[in-house]
Amino acid sequence: GESVGLHLPTLSVQEGDNSIINCAYSNSASDYFIWYKQESGKGPQFIIDIRSNMDKRQGQRVTVLLNKTVKHLSLQIAATQPGDSAVYFCAENRGAGGTSYGKLTFGQGTILTVHP
Amino acid sequence: GEEVAQTPKHLVRGEGQKAKLYCAPIKGHSYVFWYQQVLKNEFKFLISFQNENVFDETGMPKERFSAKCLPNSPCSLEIQATKLEDSAVYFCASSQFGQGAEQPQHFGDGTRLSIL
Repeated sequence: GESVGLHLPTLSVQEGDNSIINCAYSNSASDYFIWYKQESGKGPQFIIDIRSNMDKRQGQRVTVLLNKTVKHLSLQIAATQPGDSAVYFCAENRGAGGTSYGKLTFGQGTILTVHP
Repeated sequence: GEEVAQTPKHLVRGEGQKAKLYCAPIKGHSYVFWYQQVLKNEFKFLISFQNENVFDETGMPKERFSAKCLPNSPCSLEIQATKLEDSAVYFCASSQFGQGAEQPQHFGDGTRLSIL
């Protein structure tokens, strides 16, 4: 079935390195993507989003890249810090304008560990 | 408020008992969503509301699950005759408008439901 998935379930980096977390999706109709960070015992925290009419979007220390040709999404974190250690999820919304609005489909998550 | 508030943080019930979870969305947000997270990993969409109206309930196990969002009250998710498999963390999220203009969903910290 259609799904959103992650290539790498775990990622370990040194403090100060750049991190890249990847996500694949299978539904070409998906038009809105979100990256969330989830710390232990907490809910998903919004990091950054991107719409399908964009290829790249930058935030504070984070960049999201969207490649619609190969249905691939990535999250880049610059100068990774120990506080960035968490599970990162990509999520997709399969369509605005219909009843599927807001129904997020999450990937499986990537555990990011940042070593001091 | 500025955050999605979920209560209680942890709920323990014996199998067959009723469980009721509450969610106060961010003030001004017209959409409310419920998700179930099992094993700290997979998120399952349950139901969404547009104000007090059910918007999408395709994820709800209708036999035992019900949800409401009434004016001037927290939203609620109720599970009748709980089963062991209902043990999970239940997250509520809210967003601003609306169809044709996706907005990120902001999550609460969840209610951990333990069925014994």
